[in-house]
Amino acid sequence: EVDLVESGGGLVQPGGSLRLSCTASGFTFNSYAMSWVRQAPGKGLEWVSTISGSNTSAYYADSVKGRFTISRDNSKNTHYLQMNSLRADDTAVYYCAKHLVATIAFDYWGQGALVTVSS
Amino acid sequence: QTVVTQEASFSVSPGGTVRLTCGLSSGSVSTNFYPSWYQQTPGQAPRTLIYSTNVRSSGVPDRFSGSILGNKAALTITGAQADDESDYYCVLYLGRGISVFGGGTKVTVL
Repeated sequence: EVDLVESGGGLVQPGGSLRLSCTASGFTFNSYAMSWVRQAPGKGLEWVSTISGSNTSAYYADSVKGRFTISRDNSKNTHYLQMNSLRADDTAVYYCAKHLVATIAFDYWGQGALVTVSS
Repeated sequence: QTVVTQEASFSVSPGGTVRLTCGLSSGSVSTNFYPSWYQQTPGQAPRTLIYSTNVRSSGVPDRFSGSILGNKAALTITGAQADDESDYYCVLYLGRGISVFGGGTKVTVL
C-alpha cells in the first residue's frame, strides 16, 4: 500500500525559511517523479514543484522559482521542499504527490502539511 | 501565462448527470495535455479520479468518466450520489515537467 507522509510544517515569519519532508513507502521510490502541490486557505490547488525519480531534473512554478528548492534522497525514500524568502502568500497546506508515470498526472497524495507565514 | 479554466460551480440532482469541463485560456485541450481529474472534499487530501483523459484510477466507480468534448476535456458524473458533492480539479500537463491546475468546480448534489 502506497503511503506518503509529510512533515516539517509550521509557523514562520516573513522572509524566513522552512523545509518540508515527504517520506514514501509501498512503491519503488526511485522509479517515480514526486511533486509538491499547495492549497492556500479557501483557494484551489496549485502545482509547486516536481523532481524526477533519478534526481536529475527539477521543475518549478513561476510563483516559487528562485525561492524554493526541491530535492530527494532515494536512499531514505524521502523528498524535500526547501522554502526560503517566505511570504504571506505562501501560507498553504502543502501536499506531496506521487506521479503516475514520468511527470504526468498524480496518483497518490499525502495528507498535507500546513505552512503559515506570519509575523 | 497559461490559464486552465473550469466552471465555478454546478448543481445536480441525485441520480442526475453533470458534465464538468476543463479548457485553456488560449487554444484547445487535446489528449496531448494528458488531462487528469481530482476530487477533494473539505479538509481532505485530493483523490485521483481520471488520468490520461479517460482512464479511471483504481477503485473509482464507473459513474465517473473522462473525455475530450470539442476543445475541452470533460469529466462526466452519471447517476450522481450524495457523496459526490465535492470540489473537482482538472490538471493539464504542459510538457517540460510543468503541470497546471484549473480553478476547480464545486459540485452540489441536491
